[in-house]
Amino acid sequence: GQSLEQPSEVTAVEGAIVQINCTYQTSGFYGLSWYQQHDGGAPTFLSYNGLDGLEETGRFSSFLSRSDSYGYLLLQELQMKDSASYFCAGLRTYKYIFGTGTRLKVLA
Amino acid sequence: DAGVIQSPRHEVTEMGQEVTLRCKPISGHDYLFWYRQTMMRGLELLIYFNNNVPIDDSGMPEDRFSAKMPNASFSTLKIQPSEPRDSAVYFCASSLTGEEETQYFGPGTRLLVL
Repeated sequence: GQSLEQPSEVTAVEGAIVQINCTYQTSGFYGLSWYQQHDGGAPTFLSYNGLDGLEETGRFSSFLSRSDSYGYLLLQELQMKDSASYFCAGLRTYKYIFGTGTRLKVLA
Repeated sequence: DAGVIQSPRHEVTEMGQEVTLRCKPISGHDYLFWYRQTMMRGLELLIYFNNNVPIDDSGMPEDRFSAKMPNASFSTLKIQPSEPRDSAVYFCASSLTGEEETQYFGPGTRLLVL
């Protein structure tokens, strides 16, 4: 089956660095994306890895290794507003398969 | 652009009633997606359209669910009859092309079936 697994919850303090991992059990993904969702809100796009390696977008970086079926999202200089759920999503032909989601709590 | 628009934002109905959810995608986007989000099952793709044509409805849970896209600026997701297990947040999303990695989500419709 198709599944993307993530830790259910991660806690970190303001100003710290946190890494959210995503492992998947299927092949055929064109790439891996990351979405952020605040409570009561809609998912919003953060980053996309179409190739293996690291992509950096401001405080956020994302990494993909197809050979390891693994990716991660790295958040630096954590802020309180980063408290949200984060989803990895594998992009197949024209559609996403979303991961289980990780709830990030940022403590003051 | 106003982004993806969904209505209603909240819907409370009784079991057995028909529910219609509406979506207006971002102008010029060729792909429209309907998702359902629950605590138990996460974010699931129900169906998606390309140029108003349904391409993949393998995620539609059963015959009680149907979706249409009569034109490029409007889509509906209908549940008839509704059941309590249909309670969820339903999101509509659109993308410029099918290969575009960015999907733009609407605010969602929170459905509660009593």
